Amino acid sequence: ELKVEQNPLFLSMQEGKNYTIYCNYSTTSDRLYWYRQDPGKSLESLFVLLSNGAVKQEGRLMASLDTKARLSTLHITAAVHDLSATYFCAVDSGTYKYIFGTGTRLKVLA
Amino acid sequence: DTGVSQDPRHKITKRGQNVTFRCDPISEHNRLYWYRQTLGQGPEFLTYFQNEAQLEKSRLLSDRFSAERPKGSFSTLEIQRTEQGDSAMYLCASSLAYQPQHFGDGTRLSIL
Repeated sequence: ELKVEQNPLFLSMQEGKNYTIYCNYSTTSDRLYWYRQDPGKSLESLFVLLSNGAVKQEGRLMASLDTKARLSTLHITAAVHDLSATYFCAVDSGTYKYIFGTGTRLKVLA
Repeated sequence: DTGVSQDPRHKITKRGQNVTFRCDPISEHNRLYWYRQTLGQGPEFLTYFQNEAQLEKSRLLSDRFSAERPKGSFSTLEIQRTEQGDSAMYLCASSLAYQPQHFGDGTRLSIL
């Protein structure tokens, strides 16, 4: 059964720094999604990655997908406090079931 | 696009009672999902509807859980004989094929 792992689980970083969140999954999939969740709120879609080598960027966030390595990364450039949230990757299992990672809780310190 | 709507926002009930939640998806979305989320965890898939057909159901879902989507519009999730372990946030999401899911604000269930 498809398993999705994210690391790190917790990340505390200074404003202005760069960092990468990793999402590994255990079986073949060509579709991966990144979501953001603020405390007490629901999930908000960030990126859809639909093929090997896909790269998407929005502001200070950039996501990429390597289906051969079964790895997606979410790179944060010059972090700002507003990026503090929990970030989830979700993988399409191919049977209409989406498996979410456990999330990376990001805290950006001023 | 009015977003995904869930009702109620909060539900407090005694153990052993039945509860029903409602989800109104974005009108043009034919795909509807139910998830359960507990504190510090990612959403856990429960079930999936394509139009009115329930095409996928988690093996983790006990017989106490049932979901419907009559006429392919709104959906209901019912939990019978609730247990302490059912306490969680229940999320509904809808989408078009291969597009990101739009999530509702969830129903928080607390079992006394």
